Amino acid sequence: GQQLNQSPQSMFIQEGEDVSMNCTSSSIFNTWLWYKQEPGEGPVLLIALYKAGELTSNGRLTAQFGITRKDSFLNISASIPSDVGIYFCAGLDTSGTYKYIFGTGTRLKVLA
Amino acid sequence: DAGVTQSPTHLIKTRGQQVTLRCSPKSGHDTVSWYQQALGQGPQFIFQYYEEEERQRGNFPDRFSGHQFPNYSSELNVNALLLGDSALYLCASSLHTDQPQHFGDGTRLSIL
Repeated sequence: GQQLNQSPQSMFIQEGEDVSMNCTSSSIFNTWLWYKQEPGEGPVLLIALYKAGELTSNGRLTAQFGITRKDSFLNISASIPSDVGIYFCAGLDTSGTYKYIFGTGTRLKVLA
Repeated sequence: DAGVTQSPTHLIKTRGQQVTLRCSPKSGHDTVSWYQQALGQGPQFIFQYYEEEERQRGNFPDRFSGHQFPNYSSELNVNALLLGDSALYLCASSLHTDQPQHFGDGTRLSIL
């Protein structure tokens, strides 16, 4: 099935470092969502973006809706051990049907 | 305020059998979507239910069917199970078809 491309696929970082990841699509989306998933749990919604160029924060997390509407970015500042998990982006596909398409995920590991 | 709840949490079946998974949406949500998440992958959209009807469907065979009840809860049925159906099945609910989705913790289905 269709999935969005996320980069990097995985990353190890030191506690306190800033993290950046992105998500790209060949299609235009009108809504971008970012989720975090931990082992044994479902994805948890972090941030929702609705307008091209929009920059939205949730605590140490900041996400941006790319101006081309084909990409989105997530930044985590001053990472802590509990940031460990898999981060997924999702774009709302409105071409005929309304459904969210998810990315391949970025696995984050934080070294204390 | 209860979030999305799914049952059972784990299930083991054999090839050829049939399975029914259940989902109760978050309070106030009227739309339910089902996803299949294989190990190491992002969620893949199966279908979405709104007003007790299937509104959108992903690239899944007819062996996958569903139902939504008047109280907005939903079931996912899979017939003639294959080994490849082993995955985490996630239910997500939203206020409407294009709104951000909130996930349950999923049902882990293993096919022997």
